[in-house]
Amino acid sequence: DTAVSQTPKYLVTQMGNDKSIKCEQNLGHDTMYWYKQDSKKFLKIMFSYNNKELIINETVPNRFSPKSPDKAHLNLHINSLELGDSAVYFCASSRGGLPLATQYFGPGTRLLVL
Amino acid sequence: AQSVTQLGSHVSVSEGALVLLRCNYSSSVPPYLFWYVQYPNQGLQLLLKYTTGATLVKGINGFEAEFKKSETSFHLTKPSAHMSDAAEYFCAVSSVTTGTASKLTFGTGTRLQVTL
Repeated sequence: DTAVSQTPKYLVTQMGNDKSIKCEQNLGHDTMYWYKQDSKKFLKIMFSYNNKELIINETVPNRFSPKSPDKAHLNLHINSLELGDSAVYFCASSRGGLPLATQYFGPGTRLLVL
Repeated sequence: AQSVTQLGSHVSVSEGALVLLRCNYSSSVPPYLFWYVQYPNQGLQLLLKYTTGATLVKGINGFEAEFKKSETSFHLTKPSAHMSDAAEYFCAVSSVTTGTASKLTFGTGTRLQVTL
């Protein structure tokens, strides 16, 4: 059973398109995150939700809009895709937001914008 | 603000040799420190973490790390490398941004290569 799953695994699209990435966790966690990993493997947090409420928004362009329909899902919608959006996007979840919480990561979605 | 510095973007060791991956952190409050491993084309997996208490932390796959406050370091070690240890390793520090979410700040990663 996959704890944190993401779909799709690969996404190739043209500049200017709109696309969505879905994330689901079956761990019963109440906090979920989106991270972006660039071509140099640098990981940076984008968003965090706790019980469907946005609690971290790290100066991400407003073309990126997360949506959490329930505690187990956190989707990422990207409008007007740009070349610089090409990256691997990871979803993660944790139990609560304590600073020592372990985050469980999904397998990643590899986005390539042409 | 919290930050993490990983010295050496690439480390190569022979199978059976000692693995040492370096991590230094900067934090204005007591830190919570993590090591994650990323195998090719996979997500990140927790190796070990330091919260409070014992400064030598043991993790999975024979890895351990020692928290040294005086040196602001949290280096990762393994006595004997296996081929299966080849991966990208990330050190991270956790900080509280609000009362309900932790924020992980990652280092730039160290790629471990294990040779025969």
